[in-house]
Amino acid sequence: IAGITQAPTSQILAAGRRMTLRCTQDMRHNAMYWYRQDLGLGLRLIHYSNTAGTTGKGEVPDGYSVSRANTDDFPLTLASAVPSQTSVYFCATSPTGIDEQFFGPGTRLTVL
Amino acid sequence: GQNIDQPTEMTATEGAIVQINCTYQTSGFNGLFWYQQHAGEAPTFLSYNVLDGLEEKGRFSSFLSRSKGYSYLLLKELQMKDSASYLCAVRDSNYQLIWGAGTKLIIKP
Repeated sequence: IAGITQAPTSQILAAGRRMTLRCTQDMRHNAMYWYRQDLGLGLRLIHYSNTAGTTGKGEVPDGYSVSRANTDDFPLTLASAVPSQTSVYFCATSPTGIDEQFFGPGTRLTVL
Repeated sequence: GQNIDQPTEMTATEGAIVQINCTYQTSGFNGLFWYQQHAGEAPTFLSYNVLDGLEEKGRFSSFLSRSKGYSYLLLKELQMKDSASYLCAVRDSNYQLIWGAGTKLIIKP
């Protein structure tokens, strides 16, 4: 593993299904973030974690949940997907939370 | 509310200079970031300003005026590979990044 990996790369999902997007880092950064990026809009923060064991809500948390059991992994779960959750999802990390953020390659999710 | 404004799209010529502006209104200010994002790829960090003035890094420079809520990214000696979207982001009082929608820069030969 080099940096930040996200899985899957892309996914087509039926509405109502449960889906977990995975994010793993090997940089030992404390802070991790989930963003969604939609055409014409800026990146919007869904959830964040300043350190293992803690999580917080961002700008658009409804319909999403996260967990941070350890430093390396920060999965994002859609409990019951809806078409408005069609987006590109980026995981990001930051060494201390006040530094620059580093982004994973993204997951393109389509909910039909 | 919090708002970051950038032009949607700009066009420039290879070898020229282009300035991408960003204005912001946020609850608190703890720094401004510029990121580059090529189509279909992840954003990558370009520059960071927390104090007023110009930060220069090779062909790229970034300027900040906190009193005016204004920043710009200056790209010199444009190359075709500079065709990308440029994202402005402000870190607010909660230390979260508020992002602009990005400026798509098109470079023509």
